[in-house]
Formats: sequence, structure tokens, C-alpha cells
Amino acid sequence: QKEVEQNSGPLSVPEGAIASLNCTYSDRGSQSFFWYRQYSGKSPELIMSIYSNGDKEDGRFTAQLNKASQYVSLLIRDSQPSDSATYLCAVNRNYGGSQGNLIFGKGTKLSVKP
Amino acid sequence: KAGVTQTPRYLIKTRGQQVTLSCSPISGHRSVSWYQQTPGQGLQFLFEYFSETQRNKGNFPGRFSGRQFSNSRSEMNVSTLELGDSALYLCASIQGAEQYFGPGTRLTVT
Repeated sequence: QKEVEQNSGPLSVPEGAIASLNCTYSDRGSQSFFWYRQYSGKSPELIMSIYSNGDKEDGRFTAQLNKASQYVSLLIRDSQPSDSATYLCAVNRNYGGSQGNLIFGKGTKLSVKP
Repeated sequence: KAGVTQTPRYLIKTRGQQVTLSCSPISGHRSVSWYQQTPGQGLQFLFEYFSETQRNKGNFPGRFSGRQFSNSRSEMNVSTLELGDSALYLCASIQGAEQYFGPGTRLTVT
């Protein structure tokens, strides 16, 4: 079983719609969860971090965490063509101390059509 | 505030050679981690350094090594390069639980 799983996509949504990206993880001891956006040819950019169950909102982005079900999701409201990118889910077992070992999913490619 | 810098940005090496990549974290950050990104394997953790000490290591052969200096700058070295080492090598600057990536070094092994 892969440690962090994401649907590879591509996920295609029309401009202005809500894009929903999902991620499941296998390690129940995971403590911190992240979403990165990676444009083609660029490095990953941190867009959301979440540490406790529930929702966390930042602008057009909402991260949702459910530790009991071991899933994390990212909602992008009012999707724009500039949101077209690969979205990487990352999970870390540690909270405090060593933080270096992020486990990444393979990413979901999002395409927002004008 | 300057971001993470990595040098060089691009490298072409031949099999059997060795390579050294450099990373300077965000000012004030004392911890860095290194990752390898390939189309097939995605992003994989190499190692983490904090205050000049390796704190964590991923599942890579001993040909991959690193170090950190007192100014928090870090280097990673790959010896006896193989074709499969062709990848984007990313350094991340760590603050708390969050990691901020540099632009990466694109290594091509021929």
C-alpha cells in the first residue's frame, strides 16, 4: 500500500467552479499535512498546512483533515486558469523535532478551462 | 526576505562522475532537507540537517551524502553517478513543521 495516495488526474474543471482534490495516507501516526502546488518546470510551493481535524480556510483555498478516515482534501473555490498545476499532498509523522521527512503523493494534475 | 537559493540550477554529468549541489536556506532557518524528484518515483526524501547534524536520512544508497555548515548552508554530494540519478534535486528550508522549497538543481547524467 502506498503511503500517500492521490488520484493522478487530470482533473478538469471550468473556470469559476470548485476544484476538489483528495489524498489518503496510510500512517495513522501522521501529525502534519500539507498541500503544495507545482507548476510545470518549477519547484513545489507550499499553499496550505493543516494539523488538526476540520477545515482550514485561506483565501480561495480550504484544506480539510479527517484523521479517523485518514484523508486530506483541498478545495479551490472560483478556480482560475492560473490554478492549473500539479497539486502534491504531503504528510509528516513528526510534530516537533525532526521535520524533514515529508512523504509525498504523486500529485493530481488540475486543469482549469476558461 | 530572500528565499531558498540553490546552485547550480542545471548540471550535466557523465556516468561515474561525482557532483556537489549547494543550498542556502531562508535567513534564520537552521534546518534544511533534501529531496529527489523524478517522473517515476515522485518526490523522495534524501536527508535532513539541523545545526550541522544529520537528523534524518531517507532510503538512498551511500553514494548520496550531505553536510551542513555553521551558517546553515548545506551541500549534497552524489558520487559515482548513475543514469538513474538524473532528477530534480530540491532543497527545502524548514521553519517549524513547514518546508519551503528552493528552485532546485536539474541534474542530467549521460
